[in-house]
Amino acid sequence: QKEVEQDPGPLSVPEGAIVSLNCTYSNSAFQYFMWYRQYSRKGPELLMYTYSSGNKEDGRFTAQVDKSSKYISLFIRDSQPSDSATYLCAIRGDSNYQLIWGAGTKLIIKP
Amino acid sequence: GAVVSQHPSRVICKSGTSVKIECRSLDFQATTMFWYRQFPKKSLMLMATSNEGSKATYEQGVEKDKFLINHASLTLSTLTVTSAHPEDSSFYICSARETVRHNEQFFGPGTRLTVL
Repeated sequence: QKEVEQDPGPLSVPEGAIVSLNCTYSNSAFQYFMWYRQYSRKGPELLMYTYSSGNKEDGRFTAQVDKSSKYISLFIRDSQPSDSATYLCAIRGDSNYQLIWGAGTKLIIKP
Repeated sequence: GAVVSQHPSRVICKSGTSVKIECRSLDFQATTMFWYRQFPKKSLMLMATSNEGSKATYEQGVEKDKFLINHASLTLSTLTVTSAHPEDSSFYICSARETVRHNEQFFGPGTRLTVL
């Protein structure tokens, strides 16, 4: 079993839809949960990070962590064609700054 | 803030030559930088962790004599691909850990290496 599981997609939705991206993880010791966005042929861009459980909101983006289910989510409201990218989840523990990466989900927002 | 640059963005070289890639943190100091490799439509694969002033720590299966890493200052790390071969062609991405505001990794734009 991989430490972090993420459906690679692609996920195609119409403009304006609410997008839900998800990852599951296996190690309950992980405490930091990140979402990165990567456009084609570019480096990943840190979108949001959450410590422990709960929700975090930033504009149209909401990150959610459910530690009891070992499940993390990223919601995008009012999706735009410019949101089309690959979204990678990444997690780490308290003392180790190496990130454990999901496979990345390719998101396509159709105009 | 938390900007990381990489140079060059793209390089094409002949087989057998060496290529150096620079990674710079522009507006913060980074004691730790990371080097990743990414194949098409795949996630990032950590190659090594680079700490300023000390030897890099390589992940299992990564040849340290093939991929030389130098982290000589708090804002610069370099990756040199020695005696490059076509199978070394890939997208190389660095990241730097920013510890003051975010304590997370920020990534450079990547370098696409093509070995002919």
